[in-house]
Amino acid sequence: ETGVTQTPRHLVMGMTNKKSLKCEQHLGHNAMYWYKQSAKKPLELMFVYSLEERVENNSVPSRFSPECPNSSHLFLHLHTLQPEDSALYLCASSQVTGEGETQYFGPGTRLLVL
Amino acid sequence: AQSVAQPEDQVNVAEGNPLTVKCTYSVSGNPYLFWYVQYPNRGLQFLLKYITGDNLVKGSYGFEAEFNKSQTSFHLKKPSALVSDSALYFCAVRGPKRYSGAGSYQLTFGKGTKLSVIP
Repeated sequence: ETGVTQTPRHLVMGMTNKKSLKCEQHLGHNAMYWYKQSAKKPLELMFVYSLEERVENNSVPSRFSPECPNSSHLFLHLHTLQPEDSALYLCASSQVTGEGETQYFGPGTRLLVL
Repeated sequence: AQSVAQPEDQVNVAEGNPLTVKCTYSVSGNPYLFWYVQYPNRGLQFLLKYITGDNLVKGSYGFEAEFNKSQTSFHLKKPSALVSDSALYFCAVRGPKRYSGAGSYQLTFGKGTKLSVIP
């Protein structure tokens, strides 16, 4: 898992807090993704960045705010979250190839909103 | 829209026996299919993918998957299960191209199948 790293690995926050999740990819990829993984539900794609430009926002509430300052780093800024936002947040990256893109995932940040 | 079904929430198999984790898909155009594995408190690890060519795809850790176009299936298999294979397995299908550039193909994942290998 050294290809894609995420910090922190665990986070507990109150509904009025502001926090940020960080993702870094060491694979030289040109696309990065945020996913939400909740118990008993399929992975939900939240955001896609291609060459540092956001190209997808899957109807995610505005209390989640992504930032991609360069092709290696991706942030997810969190504010006034709800308890139902508690989940595992996964970052992934990929590179366009002739055989299509394989996404590589980080270990995730386990978020608990109280 | 593309979709993936993993009909079994859990699969139990004895160590040393062959294992199969089932996946069926629906997508327009040629299917690009993936298997990922997730160990407890970890992210998803890529196992293998089908793009084109041989219907039997070999991947990491001795896993393989068989693509069957007529049955729209992509079952994951291993000839001899290990206790260390116990994990959550996800099948995914790549959707159609949405826009130009990187990140233009998005994956749709199944709900996952929990594999338990019993010593």
